[in-house]
Amino acid sequence: QLQLQESGPGLVKPSETLSLTCTVSGGSISSSSYYWGWIRQPPGKGLEWIGSIYYSGSTYYNPSLKSRVTISVDTSKNQFSLKLSSVTAADTAVYYCATSRFGELSRFDYWGQGTLVTVSS
Amino acid sequence: QSVLTQPPSASGTPGQRVTISCSGSSSNIGSNYVYWYQQLPGTAPKLLIYRNNQRPSGVPDRFSGSKSGTSASLAISGLRSEDEADYYCAAWDDSLSGPGVFGGGTKLTVL
Repeated sequence: QLQLQESGPGLVKPSETLSLTCTVSGGSISSSSYYWGWIRQPPGKGLEWIGSIYYSGSTYYNPSLKSRVTISVDTSKNQFSLKLSSVTAADTAVYYCATSRFGELSRFDYWGQGTLVTVSS
Repeated sequence: QSVLTQPPSASGTPGQRVTISCSGSSSNIGSNYVYWYQQLPGTAPKLLIYRNNQRPSGVPDRFSGSKSGTSASLAISGLRSEDEADYYCAAWDDSLSGPGVFGGGTKLTVL
């Protein structure tokens, strides 16, 4: 069974870049069966899809965030990462990493526990 | 404002049957599978229904999903106190160049 764990700074200053890593265990990030994604949830609000990546590097990004988002994969470390640039207070949220099935990108079977990132000076 | 529309709240008493709706369009629900997630307080979301009406192993058959046209529904029968949670629908959207969309979520209260 796949397990995912987010890691990264819990506090980021406005205008800086938010960087998070998701470590995958219980399976290979190079599996052809999965996409690897990031979803966020502002405090008290709903879920927002940030983007997803395949082990080959193919990506899908939320159009509203696309200009600021980069998702990458490191197969040697069995990790994938999120970078969100020029952050503002509106980017304060719990960030989840999750895996979805190839061909069913809306099907998130496994989730990390989530990590709260606060944007504040 | 979410692409998929859900009622913000729903409620029921133990043992009742409750339904939560999710309304979309021809580019999302109308032409793609619908998924449902349950988020208990303080926890990560959990896949509840996939491909419109399929349950992952371990999900009780009290939970069922359906789709008709550009709308979908999640039904919970034999409501229990532990079902009190937020519920989200999700689907791929062919008109977007991104990965997909979530509904705004429905908070279910068990009275």
